[in-house]
Amino acid sequence: DAGVIQSPRHEVTEMGQEVTLRCKPISGHDYLFWYRQTMMRGLELLIYFNNNVPIDDSGMPEDRFSAKMPNASFSTLKIQPSEPRDSAVYFCASTLRRADTQYFGPGTRLTVL
Amino acid sequence: AQSVTQLGSHVSVSEGALVLLRCNYSSSVPPYLFWYVQYPNQGLQLLLKYTTGATLVKGINGFEAEFKKSETSFHLTKPSAHMSDAAEYFCAVSTILTGGGNKLTFGTGTQLKVEL
Repeated sequence: DAGVIQSPRHEVTEMGQEVTLRCKPISGHDYLFWYRQTMMRGLELLIYFNNNVPIDDSGMPEDRFSAKMPNASFSTLKIQPSEPRDSAVYFCASTLRRADTQYFGPGTRLTVL
Repeated sequence: AQSVTQLGSHVSVSEGALVLLRCNYSSSVPPYLFWYVQYPNQGLQLLLKYTTGATLVKGINGFEAEFKKSETSFHLTKPSAHMSDAAEYFCAVSTILTGGGNKLTFGTGTQLKVEL
């Protein structure tokens, strides 16, 4: 299996622009997670899905952030409008069962100027 | 609410020396515990995990960890450090939530440096 795939790997944008991050989970996995990693706050869970349905989005920082999972093989995390404080590495992870190993993608490094 | 504390944000050891990275957890239910490693500019990779059963868990690259309920600890060790072990290590606790799903809560990470 190719593992969790994220795109783009790097994104540089200007404040106010819309940013869309993409994730393809491992085939057959029914849980998908979005995390954000910053120096100040470490690794934070933003939202997770079970069978394409959002279960817990309490970690989403603001209404500017939204996530969707239209099918079992694709998810997006959108920031609109983006702000410099959104600069971070965003990770996607997937797992087959509850509390089982989460497999992480390589991350998207977002820089908002 | 569950939480994880990693003592020491930076640890430095000599090549060939013992590696000990500390992790203490807080959980109101029996925890599932994990250690992940992150190499520069890469995602997190699972080193090992404890769910149930044997409290001494062996992982990849010669690492192991022991779950000690009485001490609420899950320290990571390796008998002999190698230069390739230099990375950031994260301890995490996962608990199943009522209503479905789980939540993986990470510690703040420990940067391991291996010196010649």
